Amino acid sequence: QSALTQPASVSGSPGQSITISCTGTSSDVGGYNYVSWFQQHPGKAPELMIYDVSNRPSGVSNRFSGSKSGNTASLTISGLLAEDEADYYCNSYAPSSTWVFGGGTKLTVL
Amino acid sequence: QLQLQESGPGLVKPSETLSLTCTVSGGSVSSNSYYWVWIRQPPGKGLEWIGNIYYSGSTYYNPSLKSRVTISLDTSKNQFSLKLSSVTAADTAVYYCARRRGGSSDLDSWGQGTLVTVSS
Repeated sequence: QSALTQPASVSGSPGQSITISCTGTSSDVGGYNYVSWFQQHPGKAPELMIYDVSNRPSGVSNRFSGSKSGNTASLTISGLLAEDEADYYCNSYAPSSTWVFGGGTKLTVL
Repeated sequence: QLQLQESGPGLVKPSETLSLTCTVSGGSVSSNSYYWVWIRQPPGKGLEWIGNIYYSGSTYYNPSLKSRVTISLDTSKNQFSLKLSSVTAADTAVYYCARRRGGSSDLDSWGQGTLVTVSS
């Protein structure tokens, strides 16, 4: 079970849009619509931002959106705010009823 | 509102067994709608899924940890627990308990996490 591949870091200026990718295989990301995204600020527990590829939990800003194409899922944040600066992790269902996380991406708001 | 709280020793000696408990309030571990999950994060590193348990007692574990992990449910106390045997320094991490809705990747509720250090 290998970790999903995410870029180590991305950056953007306030007001801009950024996209974070999460690449797996046909056995995990590509095989199921069970991909979620989490935001984690330093010293805090992760917070769910997107589940089942593109669904937003109640209370999460509509500036956050998710999508998937083939074996790659993506998280897009539009209208970047300073408070969006955090680490982001993807998570996918994997074979044998297991789950796998991505390595994480550090978002810097310039 | 659902709350989850991890508890257990913050320091464990190498080769011993790490034991943590997650106490659930505002919801029931006996619900057939959810899975109860353990996740960990070594200092400065990413998240790692450890495993989960269903109300029926069915368990699923990370293949890389499977030989050392046991997750169990105590419905009378509304808790679920993690045991990790033969620990080494590599098992030093913040351990989180969480809830996932069945049939979904909706991991909507997390505990605050507890740091467990493996050291003699």
